[in-house]
Amino acid sequence: KAGVTQTPRYLIKTRGQQVTLSCSPISGHRSVSWYQQTPGQGLQFLFEYFSETQRNKGNFPGRFSGRQFSNSRSEMNVSTLELGDSALYLCASSTGGARTTEAFFGQGTRLTVV
Amino acid sequence: GDSVTQMEGPVTLSEEAFLTINCTYTATGYPSLFWYVQYPGEGLQLLLKATKADDKGSNKGFEATYRKETTSFHLEKGSVQVSDSAVYFCALSDYNQGGKLIFGQGTELSVKP
Repeated sequence: KAGVTQTPRYLIKTRGQQVTLSCSPISGHRSVSWYQQTPGQGLQFLFEYFSETQRNKGNFPGRFSGRQFSNSRSEMNVSTLELGDSALYLCASSTGGARTTEAFFGQGTRLTVV
Repeated sequence: GDSVTQMEGPVTLSEEAFLTINCTYTATGYPSLFWYVQYPGEGLQLLLKATKADDKGSNKGFEATYRKETTSFHLEKGSVQVSDSAVYFCALSDYNQGGKLIFGQGTELSVKP
């Protein structure tokens, strides 16, 4: 069974630009969650999509947005990039119950903003 | 709100030493508890999990027991190897939070030959 796939693996963008990251979950999983990992703040929850609807949202500015398609693939978008957005962005895939009993992560997208 | 606290790192051990990484949590409901491991340049791998009180999760020689009375989920391994060098994260998922995981700050483990 294929794992969680994130593309691209690495990105370099300039301040003020926007970026779109993609995540393909494990087949049959309906929930995709996104996390930002930085050395200073650790792993922080961005948002979760379940059945094409945002079900949960973390404490990030509106520049961070996402969506989910009918095949459960998800994208996240960051507009007006800032230097502080440089991070490893991870997505996690799970079946989508009221409480996660198992979540699997992709390898992440390393975003560098210059 | 819910939170997870892990012991500070980095932790440096000699090969074959005993490992304990402490994890305590605060949750409003009845959470599932997880340990994830991250190797350099990689995403997170699920190491083990426990979904209810007194459950013991185990994998690859690692163990952790869900202790509701002490709100803890400490990770242990009897004999570490150099290949266990990585960052370990304790996490929880609370009821009605869907796929949202709350992570501890991570503990870096370095095992020397």
